[in-house]
Amino acid sequence: GAGVSQTPSNKVTEKGKYVELRCDPISGHTALYWYRQSLGQGPEFLIYFQGTGAADDSGLPNDRFFAVRPEGSVSTLKIQRTERGDSAVYLCASSSRTGPVTFGSGTRLTVV
Amino acid sequence: AQSVSQHNHHVILSEAASLELGCNYSYGGTVNLFWYVQYPGQHLQLLLKYFSGDPLVKGIKGFEAEFIKSKFSFNLRKPSVQWSDTAEYFCAVGNNAGNMLTFGGGTRLMVKP
Repeated sequence: GAGVSQTPSNKVTEKGKYVELRCDPISGHTALYWYRQSLGQGPEFLIYFQGTGAADDSGLPNDRFFAVRPEGSVSTLKIQRTERGDSAVYLCASSSRTGPVTFGSGTRLTVV
Repeated sequence: AQSVSQHNHHVILSEAASLELGCNYSYGGTVNLFWYVQYPGQHLQLLLKYFSGDPLVKGIKGFEAEFIKSKFSFNLRKPSVQWSDTAEYFCAVGNNAGNMLTFGGGTRLMVKP
Protein backbone atom coordinates (compact mmCIF):
# COMPACT_ATOMS: atom_id res chain seq x y z
CA GLY A 1 0.00 0.00 0.00
CA ALA A 2 0.92 3.66 -0.09
CA GLY A 3 1.62 3.92 3.62
CA VAL A 4 1.86 1.97 6.85
CA SER A 5 -1.58 0.69 7.79
CA GLN A 6 -2.57 -0.11 11.38
CA THR A 7 -5.75 -1.77 12.53
CA PRO A 8 -7.83 -1.19 14.47
CA SER A 9 -7.48 2.56 14.80
CA ASN A 10 -9.10 2.40 18.24
CA LYS A 11 -9.44 -0.47 20.67
CA VAL A 12 -11.15 -0.45 24.04
CA THR A 13 -10.64 -3.53 26.18
CA GLU A 14 -11.25 -4.59 29.74
CA LYS A 15 -8.43 -5.03 32.20
CA GLY A 16 -7.08 -8.57 32.06
CA LYS A 17 -8.10 -9.23 28.46
CA TYR A 18 -5.84 -10.16 25.54
CA VAL A 19 -5.46 -7.83 22.55
CA GLU A 20 -3.81 -8.01 19.15
CA LEU A 21 -2.77 -4.98 17.15
CA ARG A 22 -1.97 -5.33 13.47
CA CYS A 23 0.53 -3.50 11.28
CA ASP A 24 0.76 -3.71 7.50
CA PRO A 25 4.04 -2.06 6.43
CA ILE A 26 4.89 -0.43 3.14
CA SER A 27 5.36 -3.10 0.50
CA GLY A 28 8.99 -4.13 0.20
CA HIS A 29 10.11 -2.62 3.49
CA THR A 30 12.23 -5.17 5.30
CA ALA A 31 12.42 -3.33 8.62
CA LEU A 32 9.42 -2.93 10.91
CA TYR A 33 9.25 -1.15 14.26
CA TRP A 34 6.74 -0.88 17.08
CA TYR A 35 6.64 2.14 19.35
CA ARG A 36 4.34 3.14 22.19
CA GLN A 37 3.29 6.73 22.82
CA SER A 38 1.72 7.54 26.16
CA LEU A 39 -0.21 10.75 26.69
CA GLY A 40 2.06 13.79 26.72
CA GLN A 41 5.19 11.84 25.86
CA GLY A 42 7.25 11.01 22.83
CA PRO A 43 7.14 7.57 21.22
CA GLU A 44 9.07 4.84 23.05
CA PHE A 45 10.76 2.05 21.13
CA LEU A 46 9.37 -1.45 21.74
CA ILE A 47 10.71 -3.87 19.13
CA TYR A 48 12.39 -3.95 15.73
CA PHE A 49 12.12 -6.64 13.05
CA GLN A 50 14.47 -7.16 10.15
CA GLY A 51 12.60 -9.60 7.95
CA THR A 52 10.88 -12.25 10.03
CA GLY A 53 13.14 -12.09 13.05
CA ALA A 54 13.10 -9.69 15.99
CA ALA A 55 16.47 -7.95 15.72
CA ASP A 56 15.95 -6.01 18.94
CA ASP A 57 13.16 -6.48 21.48
CA SER A 58 14.83 -4.61 24.30
CA GLY A 59 12.01 -2.08 24.54
CA LEU A 60 9.25 -4.55 25.37
CA PRO A 61 8.27 -3.63 28.92
CA ASN A 62 7.60 -7.15 30.22
CA ASP A 63 6.65 -10.65 29.14
CA ARG A 64 3.00 -9.73 28.64
CA PHE A 65 4.08 -8.07 25.39
CA PHE A 66 5.00 -10.11 22.34
CA ALA A 67 5.22 -9.38 18.62
CA VAL A 68 5.49 -11.57 15.54
CA ARG A 69 6.13 -11.10 11.85
CA PRO A 70 5.89 -14.64 10.48
CA GLU A 71 6.20 -13.91 6.76
CA GLY A 72 8.34 -10.78 6.93
CA SER A 73 5.48 -8.44 6.09
CA VAL A 74 2.47 -7.99 8.39
CA SER A 75 3.24 -7.83 12.09
CA THR A 76 1.04 -8.36 15.13
CA LEU A 77 1.71 -6.91 18.56
CA LYS A 78 0.11 -9.05 21.26
CA ILE A 79 -0.59 -7.94 24.80
CA GLN A 80 -1.73 -10.44 27.41
CA ARG A 81 -3.54 -9.69 30.66
CA THR A 82 -3.86 -6.01 29.77
CA GLU A 83 -3.46 -3.41 32.51
CA ARG A 84 -4.71 0.17 32.66
CA GLY A 85 -1.11 1.35 32.32
CA ASP A 86 -0.96 -0.24 28.88
CA SER A 87 -3.31 2.45 27.58
CA ALA A 88 -1.42 4.37 24.90
CA VAL A 89 -1.14 4.87 21.17
CA TYR A 90 0.81 2.00 19.62
CA LEU A 91 2.71 3.11 16.53
CA CYS A 92 4.10 0.94 13.81
CA ALA A 93 6.74 2.09 11.34
CA SER A 94 8.64 0.55 8.47
CA SER A 95 11.67 1.28 6.36
CA SER A 96 13.89 -0.21 3.72
CA ARG A 97 17.33 -1.29 4.95
CA THR A 98 18.78 2.20 4.62
CA GLY A 99 15.78 4.42 3.94
CA PRO A 100 13.81 6.76 6.18
CA VAL A 101 11.31 5.42 8.67
CA THR A 102 7.63 5.91 7.78
CA PHE A 103 5.06 5.80 10.58
CA GLY A 104 1.49 4.62 10.58
CA SER A 105 -1.36 6.49 12.25
CA GLY A 106 -1.33 4.24 15.27
CA THR A 107 -3.80 2.20 17.29
CA ARG A 108 -5.20 3.97 20.34
CA LEU A 109 -5.57 1.31 23.04
CA THR A 110 -7.71 2.08 26.07
CA VAL A 111 -7.82 -0.42 28.92
CA VAL A 112 -10.78 0.12 31.24
CA ALA B 1 21.96 4.66 26.62
CA GLN B 2 20.78 7.47 24.42
CA SER B 3 18.35 10.15 25.52
CA VAL B 4 16.78 13.26 24.07
CA SER B 5 15.53 16.35 25.90
CA GLN B 6 13.13 18.91 24.56
CA HIS B 7 12.88 21.67 27.12
CA ASN B 8 9.97 23.58 25.62
CA HIS B 9 6.78 21.61 26.12
CA HIS B 10 4.39 24.23 24.81
CA VAL B 11 5.14 27.20 22.55
CA ILE B 12 2.63 29.78 21.38
CA LEU B 13 3.57 32.16 18.58
CA SER B 14 1.84 34.61 16.31
CA GLU B 15 2.06 34.16 12.56
CA ALA B 16 5.29 35.50 11.02
CA ALA B 17 7.19 35.09 14.29
CA SER B 18 10.46 33.22 14.23
CA LEU B 19 10.68 29.77 15.76
CA GLU B 20 13.43 27.93 17.56
CA LEU B 21 12.74 24.65 19.36
CA GLY B 22 15.47 23.24 21.53
CA CYS B 23 16.74 19.68 21.41
CA ASN B 24 19.63 18.22 23.38
CA TYR B 25 20.76 14.62 23.19
CA SER B 26 23.14 12.23 24.80
CA TYR B 27 24.54 9.35 22.82
CA GLY B 28 27.91 7.67 22.86
CA GLY B 29 28.12 6.60 19.22
CA THR B 30 27.83 8.16 15.80
CA VAL B 31 24.90 10.53 15.91
CA ASN B 32 21.97 10.47 13.53
CA LEU B 33 19.44 13.17 14.38
CA PHE B 34 15.88 13.76 13.25
CA TRP B 35 12.95 16.10 13.64
CA TYR B 36 9.47 14.69 13.16
CA VAL B 37 6.20 16.59 13.06
CA GLN B 38 2.73 15.39 13.95
CA TYR B 39 -0.09 17.57 12.66
CA PRO B 40 -3.43 17.25 14.46
CA GLY B 41 -5.02 13.92 13.61
CA GLN B 42 -2.16 12.80 11.40
CA HIS B 43 0.78 10.42 11.67
CA LEU B 44 4.37 11.33 12.42
CA GLN B 45 6.17 12.76 9.42
CA LEU B 46 9.87 13.36 8.89
CA LEU B 47 10.79 17.06 8.72
CA LEU B 48 14.54 16.70 8.33
CA LYS B 49 17.50 14.56 9.31
CA TYR B 50 21.22 14.83 9.93
CA PHE B 51 23.60 11.95 9.33
CA SER B 52 26.88 13.65 8.44
CA GLY B 53 28.32 16.57 6.49
CA ASP B 54 26.99 20.11 6.62
CA PRO B 55 25.70 20.64 10.17
CA LEU B 56 23.00 23.02 8.91
CA VAL B 57 20.24 20.84 7.54
CA LYS B 58 17.32 22.09 5.50
CA GLY B 59 14.03 20.24 5.58
CA ILE B 60 10.56 20.56 4.20
CA LYS B 61 8.24 23.55 4.63
CA GLY B 62 11.07 26.01 5.31
CA PHE B 63 12.37 24.29 8.44
CA GLU B 64 16.05 23.91 9.20
CA ALA B 65 18.11 22.55 12.06
CA GLU B 66 21.69 22.99 13.15
CA PHE B 67 23.81 20.22 14.65
CA ILE B 68 26.22 21.68 17.21
CA LYS B 69 28.38 18.82 18.39
CA SER B 70 30.01 20.76 21.24
CA LYS B 71 26.60 21.55 22.71
CA PHE B 72 24.99 18.17 21.95
CA SER B 73 22.19 20.15 20.35
CA PHE B 74 20.04 19.94 17.24
CA ASN B 75 17.67 22.90 17.45
CA LEU B 76 14.87 23.34 14.94
CA ARG B 77 14.29 26.75 13.38
CA LYS B 78 11.93 28.50 11.00
CA PRO B 79 12.24 32.21 10.24
CA SER B 80 8.53 32.89 9.86
CA VAL B 81 5.85 30.49 11.09
CA GLN B 82 2.41 30.01 9.63
CA TRP B 83 -0.86 28.97 11.25
CA SER B 84 -0.50 25.65 9.40
CA ASP B 85 2.68 24.90 11.39
CA THR B 86 0.51 24.23 14.46
CA ALA B 87 1.56 20.72 15.42
CA GLU B 88 3.64 18.69 17.82
CA TYR B 89 7.35 18.47 17.05
CA PHE B 90 9.59 15.61 18.12
CA CYS B 91 13.36 15.47 18.11
CA ALA B 92 14.90 12.00 17.86
CA VAL B 93 18.30 10.36 17.82
CA GLY B 94 18.95 7.19 15.85
CA ASN B 95 21.38 4.35 16.25
CA ASN B 96 24.26 3.84 13.84
CA ALA B 97 21.91 2.60 11.13
CA GLY B 98 19.67 5.58 11.85
CA ASN B 99 16.51 3.58 12.13
CA MET B 100 15.92 2.71 15.79
CA LEU B 101 14.88 6.00 17.26
CA THR B 102 14.85 7.52 20.73
CA PHE B 103 12.43 10.42 20.90
CA GLY B 104 12.22 13.48 23.06
CA GLY B 105 9.00 14.30 24.86
CA GLY B 106 7.79 16.62 22.12
CA THR B 107 6.99 20.33 21.85
CA ARG B 108 3.45 21.39 21.13
CA LEU B 109 3.46 24.49 18.92
CA MET B 110 0.41 26.66 18.50
CA VAL B 111 0.51 29.44 15.93
CA LYS B 112 -2.13 32.10 16.34
CA PRO B 113 -3.51 33.56 13.09
